[in-house]
Amino acid sequence: ILNVEQSPQSLHVQEGDSTNFTCSFPSSNFYALHWYRWETAKSPEALFVMTLNGDEKKKGRISATLNTKEGYSYLYIKGSQPEDSATYLCAFFTYNQGGKLIFGQGTELSVKP
Amino acid sequence: DADVTQTPRNRITKTGKRIMLECSQTKGHDRMYWYRQDPGLGLRLIYYSFDVKDINKGEISDGYSVSRQAQAKFSLSLESAIPNQTALYFCATSDSAGGGGGTDTQYFGPGTRLTVL
Repeated sequence: ILNVEQSPQSLHVQEGDSTNFTCSFPSSNFYALHWYRWETAKSPEALFVMTLNGDEKKKGRISATLNTKEGYSYLYIKGSQPEDSATYLCAFFTYNQGGKLIFGQGTELSVKP
Repeated sequence: DADVTQTPRNRITKTGKRIMLECSQTKGHDRMYWYRQDPGLGLRLIYYSFDVKDINKGEISDGYSVSRQAQAKFSLSLESAIPNQTALYFCATSDSAGGGGGTDTQYFGPGTRLTVL
């Protein structure tokens, strides 16, 4: 059974703090790693898709890195703002077992003004 | 207007009832998916469809069935609802024109919150 783990499960920070969280996935049969942002009562939205070891993606204050050899990805938020409050989901794609996205349980971020 | 819509948004039903959740999309994507989300768990795939004639079971298909009525519509049915099917259900779409592989972004609907009493 393929497992994707995210840590921490929840995080409470003050506005202006920088923060990061982790997605761990199987290092074998890796194809792609996705990050999604899910605000309460809204649809999850794609942030990044990463495929190459050492890849780094950036969108505004949010960036992500990928280590496929050891099976982890970090998501960083610089200078958190209240509008960053959301659940951040990572999903691992492998063609093993039919080629599907396998989601982690998410990290719930709360940013207090 | 939203590209991926789900109806109803909220539903409360009783054990044993048949329930249908509907998903429609205007993105023109060929691939559609149904997931359920439970607290503390990741999104889990129930069924997916790569085109109108191609429907596949996901990891938790027992107790569910689907119908792909058209490229734009994908319905999920619970033939006889039970309390442990209480969850948030998401529909998603993706476009195989982007390669049809693991880098395809999935676009999600707003979710249907289902409660089975």
